Amino acid sequence: LLAQSPGRLSLSPGERATLSCRATHSPYIAWYQQKAGQAPRLLIYDASTRATGIPDRFSGSASGTDFTLTISRVDPDDSAVYYCQQLGFFGGGTTVEIK
Amino acid sequence: RLQESGPGLVKPLESLSLTCTVSGGSLSSGSYFWVWIRQPPGEAPEWIGSISYGGTTFYNSSLRSRVSLSLDTSRSQFYLMLTSMTAADTATYFCTRLVYSVANYMDVWGRGTKVIVSS
Repeated sequence: LLAQSPGRLSLSPGERATLSCRATHSPYIAWYQQKAGQAPRLLIYDASTRATGIPDRFSGSASGTDFTLTISRVDPDDSAVYYCQQLGFFGGGTTVEIK
Repeated sequence: RLQESGPGLVKPLESLSLTCTVSGGSLSSGSYFWVWIRQPPGEAPEWIGSISYGGTTFYNSSLRSRVSLSLDTSRSQFYLMLTSMTAADTATYFCTRLVYSVANYMDVWGRGTKVIVSS
């Protein structure tokens, strides 16, 4: 229902991260960041609206049923698993590792 | 603002009862649904079900026969009951607030409570 890619992304600080989520239903999607041992945190909703307090390095976009989360300049603090969510479903997640 | 509570260990075939206490806000808003999510170790989150202030419920079809959600606005709490627990139900259980709109997204999360099913 929600296919995320890639499964894992390894980047250096300052690089650009591009995460994808392919959906089959509505045009709306949310993105969450989950660090180890923590609850998921809302990053983006309505496909492209940043949640309160989320830095503008994080952005979301959509093209039909293909959704993208972009982190323009990754920071070591961005190491986490990122999930997309639509209706009652979550994608399988993309693990982002900052070397 | 959301805090889960309940047993950390449940025996196989027993029922799990969890409570989510809402502080700094109210359950009594038509703009939100109140949601339970679980996450087995190393896996993606899984939707269990949601309940509105008015008591309207939606359940994950795979769990519908075993799950029940309820709420008590006077206590600012909502509840999860999951029957006939098995090892496959071992997970961290989160309560969340869902903004009910065309988009449907969860903007507030509890820290989660770990539940292990074992004899």
